[in-house]
Amino acid sequence: QKEVEQNSGPLSVPEGAIASLNCTYSDRVSQSFFWYRQYSGKSPELIMSIYSNGDKEDGRFTAQLNKASQYVSLLIRDSQPSDSATYLCAVNFGGDSNYQLIWGAGTKLIIKP
Amino acid sequence: DTEVTQTPKHLVMGMTNKKSLKCEQHMGHRAMYWYKQKAKKPPELMFVYSYEKLSINESVPSRFSPECPNSSLLNLHLHALQPEDSALYLCASSQETYSSTDTQYFGPGTRLTVL
Repeated sequence: QKEVEQNSGPLSVPEGAIASLNCTYSDRVSQSFFWYRQYSGKSPELIMSIYSNGDKEDGRFTAQLNKASQYVSLLIRDSQPSDSATYLCAVNFGGDSNYQLIWGAGTKLIIKP
Repeated sequence: DTEVTQTPKHLVMGMTNKKSLKCEQHMGHRAMYWYKQKAKKPPELMFVYSYEKLSINESVPSRFSPECPNSSLLNLHLHALQPEDSALYLCASSQETYSSTDTQYFGPGTRLTVL
C-alpha cells in the first residue's frame, strides 16, 4: 500500500520565522516528490519538485529529501502572511503507476503577523 | 508558460441537467488529467489521457464522461449527477505519463454544485 503522510496541522508560525513542513512516504523506491501550495478555494500550485537526496533551494523555499529515512520536507524562510495556505506533499512511486501522484492529506500553515 | 485554463469557474446544475467542463493547455503536454477535490481533502484522480487516448479510468461512475478532442483540449461531460458530486473539479497536464519525474500543472478548477 503506497501511502504519504503529513501532519494536518494547523501549524502556526510567527511572521519572519522558518516554517518547516514534513512528509513521510511508505515505499523506499519512490521516484519523485512534489510540494504544492493550495489557498482556500483555489487549485494546487507547484512550489517545488525534488528527485535526488539532499537539498534543493528556490528563493525562500528549500526542499529536503532523505530517501533512506523516507521523508521529504519543505522549509519556508522569512515566512510571510501570504504563505498561509495548505501545503500538499505528492509522491510519484514510479513503476506501473508513473501517471499517478499519491497525495498526503495536506498541512495547513498559518503565518501570524 | 505553465498555464492550464478551465471553464466555467462555477457551475450550478440540477440532477437532471447535462453540462460540460472544459480544459485547455498550450504547453504541448501530451498527458491530461481530471481530478475531483472535496473540501479539506487532497485531489482524487478520475481520468488520465495520454496522447489523446484514455489510459486510466479510476472506476469513475458513468455519469462522468471524459473526452479529448485534440491534444490541447479536455472535456468532462456531466449527466444525472448527485448532490455528493458537488466538488472542485481540477484539470491538470504534464509532458507525458511515462516518466516518474513528470510534473503536473493544475488549472484553476471548476466549482460544481449539484442541487
